Amino acid sequence: GQQVMQIPQYQHVQEGEDFTTYCNSSTTLSNIQWYKQRPGGHPVFLIQLVKSGEVKKQKRLTFQFGEAKKNSSLHITATQTTDVGTYFCAGQNSNYQLIWGAGTKLIIKP
Amino acid sequence: DVKVTQSSRYLVKRTGEKVFLECVQDMDHENMFWYRQDPGLGLRLIYFSYDVKMKEKGDIPEGYSVSREKKERFSLILESASTNQTSMYLCASSFWTGGEGSNQPQHFGDGTRLSIL
Repeated sequence: GQQVMQIPQYQHVQEGEDFTTYCNSSTTLSNIQWYKQRPGGHPVFLIQLVKSGEVKKQKRLTFQFGEAKKNSSLHITATQTTDVGTYFCAGQNSNYQLIWGAGTKLIIKP
Repeated sequence: DVKVTQSSRYLVKRTGEKVFLECVQDMDHENMFWYRQDPGLGLRLIYFSYDVKMKEKGDIPEGYSVSREKKERFSLILESASTNQTSMYLCASSFWTGGEGSNQPQHFGDGTRLSIL
């Protein structure tokens, strides 16, 4: 079935370094959502991108949706300990279903 | 704030038992979802419902069934629990608005960690 590939599975960074996670779909997506799951918690919605080439920012977080609407990225500038968790993308396909990426776990080294 | 409540945070059952996981949302959302989450596999959709008494199979429906008799409540049923159904189960709900932004943000419950012995 249709998949959204998300990489990397894990990323270890020093506090203050940047972090990026990428999602790629084999087919065009109608929109893409991003969620954050803190350790021991549940996924929490961050943002939705709908337009081709869209870029949105939330403080230190920058979200991009590719021109072909097949890929997306989340970039965090100058990570802080509060950023720890797993970040998921979820793309909507032509059948209105959300296809979830496997998530990228952000681990901050002390 | 949207509240999605799952009946149990932790549950231990035995192989072969019939298991009910309950989920209630208080925001009049049309859509409700059941996922299981396993390390390295992300969220996998078991079943979803877009209206009362309506249900659709997700990616991994085998061994599960669901019930939606009222708009606010969506139940997941393990007909005969097996050890490979040990997992974290997450319920979610969302509005449906149609069009390209039709999948509105999903709001999740705290999850039920189910162990089948």
